[in-house]
This record gives sequence, structure tokens and C-alpha cells, in this order.
Amino acid sequence: GENVEQHPSTLSVQEGDSAVIKCTYSDSASNYFPWYKQELGKRPQLIIDIRSNVGEKKDQRIAVTLNKTAKHFSLHITETQPEDSAVYFCAASQGGSEKLVFGKGTKLTVNP
Amino acid sequence: GAGVSQTPSNKVTEKGKYVELRCDPISGHTALYWYRQSLGQGPEFLIYFQGTGAADDSGLPNDRFFAVRPEGSVSTLKIQRTERGDSAVYLCASTKKGISYGYTFGSGTRLTVV
Repeated sequence: GENVEQHPSTLSVQEGDSAVIKCTYSDSASNYFPWYKQELGKRPQLIIDIRSNVGEKKDQRIAVTLNKTAKHFSLHITETQPEDSAVYFCAASQGGSEKLVFGKGTKLTVNP
Repeated sequence: GAGVSQTPSNKVTEKGKYVELRCDPISGHTALYWYRQSLGQGPEFLIYFQGTGAADDSGLPNDRFFAVRPEGSVSTLKIQRTERGDSAVYLCASTKKGISYGYTFGSGTRLTVV
């Protein structure tokens, strides 16, 4: 089955800096890769996703890149703000199924 | 409704008891998913419904766990003979048709087994 590794587990940046979170996956049949933001005590919220036929996707300050050959994908947040502080989870669909396999999360802290 | 609704928000139960957790998906969403999130971990898949049927229950940890969705809308996750290791936040998500439409998660039910 699918295995998703996420790094780093914690990340601290200064306001205005960029943040990058990286994930690798094992199942070459995986074709959908969402990223979720979870604030303390709240539900995970989808912030951006990418499908396997696309290499990069941007939405304002957030971008995701996908390298299918290397089986890794990354989340890039530019011009970070204190409200970006949260735990971020990457996930990959287990090929051919409706199941998402999540990474263990990255706790991002943006210091003012 | 406007979002995915889960009740109760918190449940404390004694070891060995039976519990039911309810999920009310977004109106019109045919796909419904249950996940479990332990402290400091990502959500872990339990079961997926498309309409009334459980299309994939491969994530249910054992036969103490069961879920239903009799009318293709509200779903109930049932846990028999609860154990302390069942303590977690149980999350429900729904999508319009399937995974690539993006999950909308509910706020979860925090289950504590004492």
C-alpha cells in the first residue's frame, strides 16, 4: 500500500520568509495529492491540491510542485504571515482508490 | 447543510461500552469518508461510502468497528466493546462525487475511553 513521508516535522520561520514542506510517496499509481492545514483543535482544511498530470499549481502565496519520477511533492508558502502558523499535512491517494494516506504533519510556526 | 456536521463533539465512555458517532454530510454529497486521527498524527482512513454502500472498509481496525449509511446521507460509526486505544478524534468528510473533488472535513468527535 501507499506510504507517505513528510519533512520536516517542525519548521520555524520569520514573518515574510518562505516555507517549504516536502513529502515523498511510494505508490506510483497515486494520482491525487492534496495539502491540508489544521489549526489547533480545528478540522483539517484543504488548501491546495494537485493531480498527477500537472507539475505545478499556484494559488496566491501557496504553490505545490509534483515530481512523479522521483515520487515527491512539495508545498511552498511565500511571504509567510503569523496566521499561516498551523500543522500542515500532505496526502496521496492510494492508486485506484478513494483512500487518502496522510503524512505525519509539519508544525509551522511563523514568528512576527 | 453548510458544512459537514458531526455529533457529539466530545464523548467520554468507559472501557467496554458501546458508542455511536454521527456524521451529517453536505447536502448532495454522495461520497462519505471516516478517518481517525490520533494525537500528533495525520488522519488514518477507516471506511468510504458511495451512496448507501460501503465501497471500501479496508481501514476498519477490527470487527468491533462498523459503519452504516442507510439512506445515503447521514452515517453512523459504531464501536463495540471500546478499548482505551480507541481514544482519538474521529473525522468525517464528504465530497460531491469522489476524492478528486476534495474532502470537506467535519470538526470531528473526540472520543475518550477511560
